[in-house]
Amino acid sequence: DQQVKQNSPSLSVQEGRISILNCDYTNSMFDYFLWYKKYPAEGPTFLISISSIKDKNEDGRFTVFLNKSAKHLSLHIVPSQPGDSAVYFCAARSDRGGSNYKLTFGKGTLLTVNP
Amino acid sequence: ETGVTQSPTHLIKTRGQQVTLRCSSQSGHNTVSWYQQALGQGPQFIFQYYREEENGRGNFPPRFSGLQFPNYSSELNVNALELDDSALYLCASSLMTGGGYTQYFGPGTRLTVL
Repeated sequence: DQQVKQNSPSLSVQEGRISILNCDYTNSMFDYFLWYKKYPAEGPTFLISISSIKDKNEDGRFTVFLNKSAKHLSLHIVPSQPGDSAVYFCAARSDRGGSNYKLTFGKGTLLTVNP
Repeated sequence: ETGVTQSPTHLIKTRGQQVTLRCSSQSGHNTVSWYQQALGQGPQFIFQYYREEENGRGNFPPRFSGLQFPNYSSELNVNALELDDSALYLCASSLMTGGGYTQYFGPGTRLTVL
């Protein structure tokens, strides 16, 4: 039972264009969402997060959008750079009921940005 | 650079053996979580320690156990290793406060069970 789904295993974009990575979730108890980036032989690196009380959060080239009614979030990277090539994980947690210790991850999307 | 370190980087064990993996948290962080990442999968939550006590556990059997020390370093112990335990093991440290917090990951330990 996968509660966080990243349905695209891979995505390829041209340098300078927009990258859009998608994530769906099924657990309505989730109220905080994070994106992590992972390079080979390294641990996941925190990128950006969003609380369920917002629908958008922006940090430089990275913007995360949350659509609670659709249980869908997306990460936009503009403009994409070759150094952005990595696996991107969507993660979620519930901050209610004292269970805010556990992150539930999707399987990841491999982003390749071509020069 | 998160300030979270893990040792060893790689480890090869045989089925039935026991293994101990180590994690040093980022300075000032009081909480450590452990995750298992199998090939092609996202990290799966094993357990979390807060102030030296287990604070939550995922769907892993009791042969997965942990410790957190007063200096907030941590160990993950796995007994009776099985082939399916082959994975990347990640620890993540965070500062538990009343509000939200972010977990910062170390580089991981790659465990291979033969």
